[in-house]
Amino acid sequence: EIVLTQSPATLSLSPGERATLSCGASQSVSSSYLAWYQQKPGLAPRLLIYDASSRATGIPDRFSGSGSGTDFTLTISRLEPEDFAVYYCQQYGSSVLMYTFGQGTKLEIK
Amino acid sequence: QVQLVQSGAEVKKPGASVKVSCKASGYTFTGYYMHWVRQAPGQGLEWMGWINPNSGGTNYAQKFQGRVTMTRDTSISTAYMELSRLRSDDTAVYYCARDVTLVWFGEPGVFDYWGQGTLVTVSS
Repeated sequence: EIVLTQSPATLSLSPGERATLSCGASQSVSSSYLAWYQQKPGLAPRLLIYDASSRATGIPDRFSGSGSGTDFTLTISRLEPEDFAVYYCQQYGSSVLMYTFGQGTKLEIK
Repeated sequence: QVQLVQSGAEVKKPGASVKVSCKASGYTFTGYYMHWVRQAPGQGLEWMGWINPNSGGTNYAQKFQGRVTMTRDTSISTAYMELSRLRSDDTAVYYCARDVTLVWFGEPGVFDYWGQGTLVTVSS
């Protein structure tokens, strides 16, 4: 089973700043099958990025994903007030058809 | 528009079973995989498994093998997740989530639509 480790656990930034969130995998993620989700308190997660770098429908272009193999990054170019939330990475589509999430990064207002 | 509406909150005693429903609308229910994901209070997301609503085929996370059963009723576009032998650490919000992948086109992928969540509390 692939283990995903997200860093940092908490990131404190101000609106307008750039956010960089990391997700490391214990083994190579096949075909860059890596997604990012955003979750706000009391709500279900929302898909942001899939296939490591493709934005989901309706996601603003300030969100971007990059990486391959075992190292992946979610970048928010210029933080808006509504971006402060918890972010999870997820691997999917592996040969054993298992889906695992990272433990999450909380993006909070500084 | 795609909607997934889940059943209401449940309170169960240890050792009991719970069955959560997820009614889909706004798309062809049998066309897309459906996943179940849970989240313990203040914790992260944990994938439990998926069901192919067309065939009824399932794939469960190893952790839940033998305790979870995912089924569907295509006549009412509803997926179900039943978890047995409940323990206190099964207390969580349980989500259904639709996969982006058509069941005829390949393996399940990412989750594009989610239900509102169902809180299951296990307490004596």
